[in-house]
Amino acid sequence: KAGVTQTPRYLIKTRGQQVTLSCSPISGHRSVSWYQQTPGQGLQFLFEYFSETQRNKGNFPGRFSGRQFSNSRSEMNVSTLELGDSALYLCASSQTGDDTGELFFGEGSRLTVL
Amino acid sequence: GENVEQHPSTLSVQEGDSAVIKCTYSDSASNYFPWYKQELGKRPQLIIDIRSNVGEKKDQRIAVTLNKTAKHFSLHITETQPEDSAVYFCAAITSGTYKYIFGTGTRLKVLA
Repeated sequence: KAGVTQTPRYLIKTRGQQVTLSCSPISGHRSVSWYQQTPGQGLQFLFEYFSETQRNKGNFPGRFSGRQFSNSRSEMNVSTLELGDSALYLCASSQTGDDTGELFFGEGSRLTVL
Repeated sequence: GENVEQHPSTLSVQEGDSAVIKCTYSDSASNYFPWYKQELGKRPQLIIDIRSNVGEKKDQRIAVTLNKTAKHFSLHITETQPEDSAVYFCAAITSGTYKYIFGTGTRLKVLA
């Protein structure tokens, strides 16, 4: 089975722009969650989707949004980019519908905001 | 809100020694506690997890202990090897909330 795939792997944007990141989960996995990873802040939970429904979200401003499609692929969008949004964005998929199963992470999308 | 504190942020040990990483969680309803290992430049991977109905779990050289009363849990690595060098993240999840709260990570360096 292919692993979790994230695109693009690297991108550079300027302040004020917006960005869309994509995540394809492992085949058969219906839960996708997103995380922001920065040095010193660890993995900060952004949101979780299951069957196209957002079931929870973290403490991020409304500039961060996401969605999930019927094939379980997910996208996240960040609008009006700020310098502090520079980070590695990881998505993870889970085989089970509950939240106590193993998360399988992608390699991440590294966003640099200039 | 929910919070997980993880200590230490960095840890250096000699090869063959033991390493202990500690996490404290705030939500008393948390009932699932996984640990993820992230090697340099790679994706995090689950190494061990424990549920609230168990006090300790072992898998070869790694073990996790849970103290629900004190709301803390720890990762123990014995006989450390250079390949154990990585960043380790703890997490606390309250089932049914679909919200994953991770600690800030511990960078473990095993010195040969």
